[in-house]
Amino acid sequence: QKEVEQNSGPLSVPEGAIASLNCTYSDRGSQSFFWYRQYSGKSPELIMSIYSNGDKEDGRFTAQLNKASQYVSLLIRDSQPSDSATYLCAVNEGGSEKLVFGKGTKLTVNP
Amino acid sequence: GAVVSQHPSRVICKSGTSVKIECRSLDFQATTMFWYRQFPKQSLMLMATSNEGSKATYEQGVEKDKFLINHASLTLSTLTVTSAHPEDSSFYICSAAPGARGYTFGSGTRLTVV
Repeated sequence: QKEVEQNSGPLSVPEGAIASLNCTYSDRGSQSFFWYRQYSGKSPELIMSIYSNGDKEDGRFTAQLNKASQYVSLLIRDSQPSDSATYLCAVNEGGSEKLVFGKGTKLTVNP
Repeated sequence: GAVVSQHPSRVICKSGTSVKIECRSLDFQATTMFWYRQFPKQSLMLMATSNEGSKATYEQGVEKDKFLINHASLTLSTLTVTSAHPEDSSFYICSAAPGARGYTFGSGTRLTVV
């Protein structure tokens, strides 16, 4: 059973702070890793994708991947109230295009 | 960028009736699409993988005779919920398989069975 684990939260941070979201996965064959943002009642929206160990930065977002530890994280700098949403970690099944999603972490950024 | 159009966005139907949900890739060809279901406060659960020109592959526990998937062209996949019951009420989302554009999600369909 392929599993993706996230802290369900809720995670609450003040505006301007750094929000840190974590995810672990069980399938060592996974090669593609994604962070999605989902607002209530809406479809997931891709925030970051990462495929190799290390950091990947895009604006206020930084994804970090450590395949040896089977760990992927997302940092949101200068958090804004509009960042308040549920963040889903998704990992492909090894050898497959299927994505396995974590249960999501609900983030609230307080003005 | 790549766009997947999904409709209807909301549908209310009576118990025992069937509902069809469509997903179209607007500016690219999708040989594979994925269908997910999401219950309130839960994550996306993969229901089935839809392949153009062949039978869909269903995940364990998903009834293929209840959730009919058709992928007759490279730009259209449909999910039909047959003989819907209140427990089928959920948020259904399609996604196109990765290419250079990565995974693209439809906007979702909120199904309510009364």
